[in-house]
Amino acid sequence: AQSVTQPDIHITVSEGASLELRCNYSYGATPYLFWYVQSPGQGLQLLLKYFSGDTLVQGIKGFEAEFKRSQSSFNLRKPSVHWSDAAEYFCAVGPSLTGTASKLTFGTGTRLQVTL
Amino acid sequence: SQTIHQWPATLVQPVGSPLSLECTVEGTSNPNLYWYRQAAGRGLQLLFYSVGIGQISSEVPQNLSASRPQDRQFILSSKKLLLSDSGFYLCALGPWTSGSNEQFFGPGTRLTVL
Repeated sequence: AQSVTQPDIHITVSEGASLELRCNYSYGATPYLFWYVQSPGQGLQLLLKYFSGDTLVQGIKGFEAEFKRSQSSFNLRKPSVHWSDAAEYFCAVGPSLTGTASKLTFGTGTRLQVTL
Repeated sequence: SQTIHQWPATLVQPVGSPLSLECTVEGTSNPNLYWYRQAAGRGLQLLFYSVGIGQISSEVPQNLSASRPQDRQFILSSKKLLLSDSGFYLCALGPWTSGSNEQFFGPGTRLTVL
């Protein structure tokens, strides 16, 4: 069964500092990996995704993530955090397309607080 | 582009009352549709998914049910709400783009059961 672990429940960083949010997954084959962001009271917005190819993927809002197969990780990074990045971040893993419903498994999320 | 509408945006209901949450999508046809629940301080729990009209798969046994009466309509229901049904309910569709299995989320419904 697929699973996702986000070991950090809550992270606080200063505005302008770098950020790394951790994500570890368990999956029997090459996974499809996603990072979503959720602002308070809102739905989830896709930040970036990894399907294949280059293991360093770029997303929206200046975020990037690196797929490391040997470590089963897909950590999210941003070189300089802005106050507007304060939100909850979810990592998700899913199967390759099989023609049926592609169910994603989400981590429990990491809440990011940004101090000014 | 795809759009998801969820109604209502917020809801406060007494224990034991019925529930009906609606999700409608635009800009796509024959999507896979999903209902998730997000309890306070917890991640997303997949409740139901549907690959077509009248086709519902349940992920977690509970007092909720889902229906898909039309291609672009997905409804979450309950006959009698429990306190534990409180949470943020999200509807999603997928695949969002060709060759991808990412999911696109609606704005959510905040349900409080008192």
